[in-house]
Amino acid sequence: AQSVTQLGSHVSVSEGALVLLRCNYSSSVPPYLFWYVQYPNQGLQLLLKYTTGATLVKGINGFEAEFKKSETSFHLTKPSAHMSDAAEYFCAVRHWNTGNQFYFGTGTSLTVIP
Amino acid sequence: EPEVTQTPSHQVTQMGQEVILRCVPISNHLYFYWYRQILGQKVEFLVSFYNNEISEKSEIFDDQFSVERPDGSNFTLKIRSTKLEDSAMYFCASSDRNTGELFFGEGSRLTVL
Repeated sequence: AQSVTQLGSHVSVSEGALVLLRCNYSSSVPPYLFWYVQYPNQGLQLLLKYTTGATLVKGINGFEAEFKKSETSFHLTKPSAHMSDAAEYFCAVRHWNTGNQFYFGTGTSLTVIP
Repeated sequence: EPEVTQTPSHQVTQMGQEVILRCVPISNHLYFYWYRQILGQKVEFLVSFYNNEISEKSEIFDDQFSVERPDGSNFTLKIRSTKLEDSAMYFCASSDRNTGELFFGEGSRLTVL
């Protein structure tokens, strides 16, 4: 079965500092991987996704993530945090043999300190 | 830009009442989903729908829940007899293929008193 683990339910960084949000998946075959962001009182917005091809994917708002098969990871990074990045971030996986389900991680709440 | 729309944005109901949450998926999408998020918790899968039938459902999606696509545009989630623990944000999502990303609506907040 698929599962997604997000290490750290809360992450705080200073404005301008590196953002690193961790995501690991468990799957015998590499799944499709996604990062979503949820701003307060809003829906889920896709930040970026990995399906095939280049393992370093770039998303919106300066975020990027790297798929590392050997580590079963898909960590999300941003070189310099902005105040507007404060939100909840969800990693998600999807694979053809699990039908149409998306499996979400438990989420990481990012706080940016001025 | 096409988007998934949900109504109502917030509904308050009494325990035991029926609730219908409505969604209009993106027009050329074929796969439809409902997820829920209890306050402060993870996003949980409820059900997926394709070709006018349920393709998968979770343990949460018991006999109190049903989904329907009554016409070519709407996708509804019905809760027959609401319980206090049904209070949550319910998200509708759609996808144009079963390997693509999901596009989410803004959510419908359900409060059961």
